[in-house]
Amino acid sequence: DVVMTQSPLSLPVTLGQPASISCRSSQSLVYSDGNTFLNWFQQRPGQSPRRLIYKVSNRDSGVPDRFSGSGSGTDFTLNISRVEAEDVGVYYCMQATHWPYTFGQGTKLEIK
Amino acid sequence: EVQLVESGGGLVQPGGSLRLSCAASGFNFNKYWMHWVRQAPGKGLVWVSHINSDGSSTTYADSVKGRFTISRDNAKNTLYLQMNSLRAEDTAVYYCTRANSGPDIWGQGTMVTVSS
Repeated sequence: DVVMTQSPLSLPVTLGQPASISCRSSQSLVYSDGNTFLNWFQQRPGQSPRRLIYKVSNRDSGVPDRFSGSGSGTDFTLNISRVEAEDVGVYYCMQATHWPYTFGQGTKLEIK
Repeated sequence: EVQLVESGGGLVQPGGSLRLSCAASGFNFNKYWMHWVRQAPGKGLVWVSHINSDGSSTTYADSVKGRFTISRDNAKNTLYLQMNSLRAEDTAVYYCTRANSGPDIWGQGTMVTVSS
């Protein structure tokens, strides 16, 4: 199975400051068709996960543009340009290139 | 509105069975692959199973293979997960998700507790 490793696992951030989460995969996430199926999810306390980013850098509908994704191959990053109070929660990366799909351990974002 | 609504969770004894359902609305259900993902209390997300759009192909995580069966009824816009021989480690919230370059739409989840 592909192992997804996130860092940090805990991320205290001051309101209005940027935040960055790293996600590394144990093997390349480039699919045979050239796509890279790396997703980012946000899970607010008590809620279902919500997808933010698909195929590395594409924002889902309704996702604020302060969220951005980047990376390639085995190394990926989720950036939040200016953290707001509603961004508190756990963030997960997930690869959908190889079966079985696998998630990172989660990064808990909190406000300092 | 695109929506997934799970049901069927509850308390079951070890070795017992449950069938989860997921009612889809607001999109062409029969065009999409679907997944089940679970989350144990206080833990992370784990993919469980997927099924292709016409139900002819299924895949399972090793931890549930031979015990769980995913299926769908496209006429009823409903996804199912039949869970047999349940174990304590199957205790989790089970989410139904739509597959679109990865899980894009998630239901609210249904809690399954396996305990005597």
